[in-house]
Amino acid sequence: TQLLEQSPQFLSIQEGENLTVYCNSSSVFSSLQWYRQEPGEGPVLLVTVVTGGEVKKLKRLTFQFGDARKDSSLHITAAQPGDTGLYLCAGIDNYGQNFVFGPGTRLSVLP
Amino acid sequence: DARVTQTPRHKVTEMGQEVTMRCQPILGHNTVFWYRQTMMQGLELLAYFRNRAPLDDSGMPKDRFSAEMPDATLATLKIQPSEPRDSAVYFCASGLVSDGEVTSNQPQHFGDGTRLSIL
Repeated sequence: TQLLEQSPQFLSIQEGENLTVYCNSSSVFSSLQWYRQEPGEGPVLLVTVVTGGEVKKLKRLTFQFGDARKDSSLHITAAQPGDTGLYLCAGIDNYGQNFVFGPGTRLSVLP
Repeated sequence: DARVTQTPRHKVTEMGQEVTMRCQPILGHNTVFWYRQTMMQGLELLAYFRNRAPLDDSGMPKDRFSAEMPDATLATLKIQPSEPRDSAVYFCASGLVSDGEVTSNQPQHFGDGTRLSIL
């Protein structure tokens, strides 16, 4: 059973467009992290969200943790080719039993 | 910037052979994770260590996989005997977690992985 689901699985957009990707679960998470992974490299942490309803901004990236701590979203404003990569959400469930990564959203931003 | 170093970057070998992957965590980090990444399964946690002691290896097939930390600067993941289904990219990550902190709230710093192909 996949504890974390991500959508869409693939996304291809033009430079300058906005986009939102989602991370969802039926389980409550004590916190969620977002990572970006580029080809041939390991994932790099972008942000950790801990509090339900929390919003964090990182330049053109806005992260939100759902009020019930079961979902999260990542919004990118004015996407650039450098944003291309695999976006992964990860977290540990509220029982502390499972630390998992979602399957990821593969984003391609075309110049 | 300090980095997690993994060796080798690539490994191709025949089934049945022993494979050893090595990881040098960031100096001062007390937590080490091993992951496997495939297109079908994504990133799967295999095992993790805190202060060199294994805390969770439930994600690892124990009949053929073993993970150790001989010292604070070296973590190893061995597969013996290897099988074609073990082909994947294996990542090591390290982090610094203080007593009482929740592991998942802390950043994990990943190496660039070992791409393993078992023929």
